[in-house]
Amino acid sequence: DGGITQSPKYLFRKEGQNVTLSCEQNLNHDAMYWYRQDPGQGLRLIYYSQIVNDFQKGDIAEGYSVSREKKESFPLTVTSAQKNPTAFYLCASSSPGGKNIQYFGAGTRLSVL
Amino acid sequence: GDSVTQMEGPVTLSEEAFLTINCTYTATGYPSLFWYVQYPGEGLQLLLKATKADDKGSNKGFEATYRKETTSFHLEKGSVQVSDSAVYFCALSEGEYGNKLVFGAGTILRVKS
Repeated sequence: DGGITQSPKYLFRKEGQNVTLSCEQNLNHDAMYWYRQDPGQGLRLIYYSQIVNDFQKGDIAEGYSVSREKKESFPLTVTSAQKNPTAFYLCASSSPGGKNIQYFGAGTRLSVL
Repeated sequence: GDSVTQMEGPVTLSEEAFLTINCTYTATGYPSLFWYVQYPGEGLQLLLKATKADDKGSNKGFEATYRKETTSFHLEKGSVQVSDSAVYFCALSEGEYGNKLVFGAGTILRVKS
């Protein structure tokens, strides 16, 4: 089955620690995205990548980093500089000819210990 | 920048009631418009979309019409079911290639039997 796989489903971070959220897709999509979702708020774009080895900051990139070494993978690192990391993180992908439709993974819920 | 405004929830309805969730947008160009649905603990799924003025998107009994004159994309369903209980997000596409999405804050729908 084609789709987007995010792991882990739940993640706990200790203060001062960097953690990495995984996102893998087998849809052969060029573009991938990371969003943050907080209660009562819509999704906010953290980073996006339109092609391998290239990515751009979204609206709330501070305290986060990404890489795009392979088409299938777009991991997100939440660094210790992100002072309020507790949120639900969603990864998505889309194809250039896909009429702007983004397909989402099931999400990772990050909490601070 | 572009923005999306949705009616605040939660919206609580009895089964078989008529549903309307209002969505208005502000955009400089001619974006595509989307409704996504999120069930508890899951990622987002595309519910329907419209790519130009007067287009009507429809799926699973839900429908929405792209109204350029009122900059609106209201979601409607004639008879809701308990299984429709979820969070609904209105979104528009922006960016040079139209592949960035701007989301509204989401509207919680609760349907009682």
